[in-house]
Amino acid sequence: EVQLVESGGGLVKPGGSLRLSCAASGFTFSSYSMNWVRQAPGNGLEWVSSITSSSSYIYYADSVKGRFTISRDNAKNSLYLQMNSLRAEDTAVYYCAREDDILTGQNWFDPWGQGTLVTVSS
Amino acid sequence: DIQMTQSPSSLSASVGDRVTITCRASQSISSYLNWYQQKPGKAPKLLIYAASSLQSGVPSRFSGSGSGTHFTLTISSLQPEDFATYYCQQSYSTPRTFGPGTKVDIK
Repeated sequence: EVQLVESGGGLVKPGGSLRLSCAASGFTFSSYSMNWVRQAPGNGLEWVSSITSSSSYIYYADSVKGRFTISRDNAKNSLYLQMNSLRAEDTAVYYCAREDDILTGQNWFDPWGQGTLVTVSS
Repeated sequence: DIQMTQSPSSLSASVGDRVTITCRASQSISSYLNWYQQKPGKAPKLLIYAASSLQSGVPSRFSGSGSGTHFTLTISSLQPEDFATYYCQQSYSTPRTFGPGTKVDIK
């Protein structure tokens, strides 16, 4: 069964740091690009960051650029998100999602993990 | 960045109703459009990819259409388990933007 399991969320003070992890199983992790998507309480979905299979290309939303760092360890089938200089507006459930695609260049997010809640508050 | 809009933002419908949700992109995205379903407290689930391709395991009452800037998600006969929020997402360019969502609830 293809599965993604996030961990590392919690309560952190403004300006603090947190590292999220996403453990992948049931598929060849090293063959897929991976993404982080977040959802603030009561709000919609916001793409945060993506990383290609061999970490050659990395992208960030403007809202997190310079503060968040995405990385992966293909030997450990794991995806990470290092979050620094956290702000109240970073409070959200953070999902990791596999990027699936076909040869035409189409791509989509499937599956998603269950999410981990990050709360930034003093 | 490509902006995505959805209409309506919410709707009330009855079991058995035909439901149509519209998604528009601020510029042409060809068929690079995906649809997700999210139930409260759960992760989003892929329904439709590439505008009209049904994800494996998704009931055939769900269908997608459109290209360019105008897309629709149709549920042909609404079932009790379909009450949820639906999001469109463009995969034409980075950042991969989502629509604001359409909440479907029980009339």
